[in-house]
Amino acid sequence: AQSVTQPDIHITVSEGASLELRCNYSYGATPYLFWYVQSPGQGLQLLLKYFSGDTLVQGIKGFEAEFKRSQSSFNLRKPSVHWSDAAEYFCAVGSNTGKLIFGQGTTLQVKP
Amino acid sequence: DTGVSQDPRHKITKRGQNVTFRCDPISEHNRLYWYRQTLGQGPEFLTYFQNEAQLEKSRLLSDRFSAERPKGSFSTLEIQRTEQGDSAMYLCASSDRLAGHNEQFFGPGTRLTVL
Repeated sequence: AQSVTQPDIHITVSEGASLELRCNYSYGATPYLFWYVQSPGQGLQLLLKYFSGDTLVQGIKGFEAEFKRSQSSFNLRKPSVHWSDAAEYFCAVGSNTGKLIFGQGTTLQVKP
Repeated sequence: DTGVSQDPRHKITKRGQNVTFRCDPISEHNRLYWYRQTLGQGPEFLTYFQNEAQLEKSRLLSDRFSAERPKGSFSTLEIQRTEQGDSAMYLCASSDRLAGHNEQFFGPGTRLTVL
């Protein structure tokens, strides 16, 4: 069955520090992978996506993610976190029927 | 292009009442999705349409739930005889199948509270 696991429910980093959010997926074929961000009370905004090709993908707001097939991972990174990055982050895999399967999310808190 | 819109943004209702939510997708997007998100969880797929055809429904979608997309444009999600367990954020998303690779654009959601 297709699934997404985000092992870290809550992460706290200091402003200016680097960030890595983990995502592991289970999917039989080549996956379509996404990272979304959700601010409190808001909908989901797409940060970046991987369909094929270069395994290091760049997104908005200075985020990047690396697809590692051997590890079934798609971790999100940012070299220097800003206070405005505090939000909830969701990793998702796109199924062959069109729907997205989401992880349970990681809440990012940024310390001043 | 104003993005995906949802109405209402918030709905408070009493147990047993019926509620209906509306979603207007991005113009010309032929796929429309509904998801439900409970507190502390990721969104869970409910159903999706390609044009006016409802192509997939989750087992989460009990017979109290019904969704329509009558002209392939906006969609409605109705919940009959609401229960407290229906309290959640209901998210709508749309995509263009030809461009998409499943890239979906989400609306702001409708937060339902069942008292």
